[in-house]
Amino acid sequence: QVTLRESGPALVKPTQTLTLTCTFSGFSLSTSGMCVSWIRQPPGKALEWLALIDWNDDKYYSTSLKTRLTISKDTSKNQVVLTMTNMDPVDTATYYCASGCVDAFDFWGQGTLVSVSS
Amino acid sequence: QSALTQPASVSGSPGQSITISCTGTSSDVGVYNYVSWYQQHPGKAPKLMIFDVSKRPSGVSNRFSGSKSGNTASLTISGLQAEDEADYYCSSYTSSSTWVFGGGTELTVL
Repeated sequence: QVTLRESGPALVKPTQTLTLTCTFSGFSLSTSGMCVSWIRQPPGKALEWLALIDWNDDKYYSTSLKTRLTISKDTSKNQVVLTMTNMDPVDTATYYCASGCVDAFDFWGQGTLVSVSS
Repeated sequence: QSALTQPASVSGSPGQSITISCTGTSSDVGVYNYVSWYQQHPGKAPKLMIFDVSKRPSGVSNRFSGSKSGNTASLTISGLQAEDEADYYCSSYTSSSTWVFGGGTELTVL
């Protein structure tokens, strides 16, 4: 079965760079048609899509955040990494990774809460 | 890319049917059949309920159905049950090769 798990720091300081890792099983990102996205949710607020990487190493980013985001994959480790630069308190959120391509995000990790505070 | 528009809250009694709307534009919901719906219980990760406007993943109750007309997609839950009380989010692929979510709808089962 497909599982995903997010890992990374629970607390970062303003202006720092956040690095999150999504470790997954049950599929391979070298298989045609497979993708992984990062999605976040500030406390009490709505979901926001951030970035997607596909089996062909094509990368897609939120228009409003693309200057701060980098997504990459390590197929041999079944991992996808997201970096977000210049973190701000408004970036405090639960960050999820999810599998799925164009039509839907079909499996989700449990999420990891990242707080931005000095 | 602006968020899709959903009602902030809806409610219904057990056994009734409710519908949640999701309004986008001719750059997302109106032009692609890549609309999906997610259920999120408090403190939990979202769960896919509907994809490609009206398809149900394996294991999702047939009480959940989806549809689309123009720029507006809809999620209907029939035979409302207490366990359906949750937040619901719609999502769509966009012409910018990005994805956008709705603002979320809180469903209360009275």
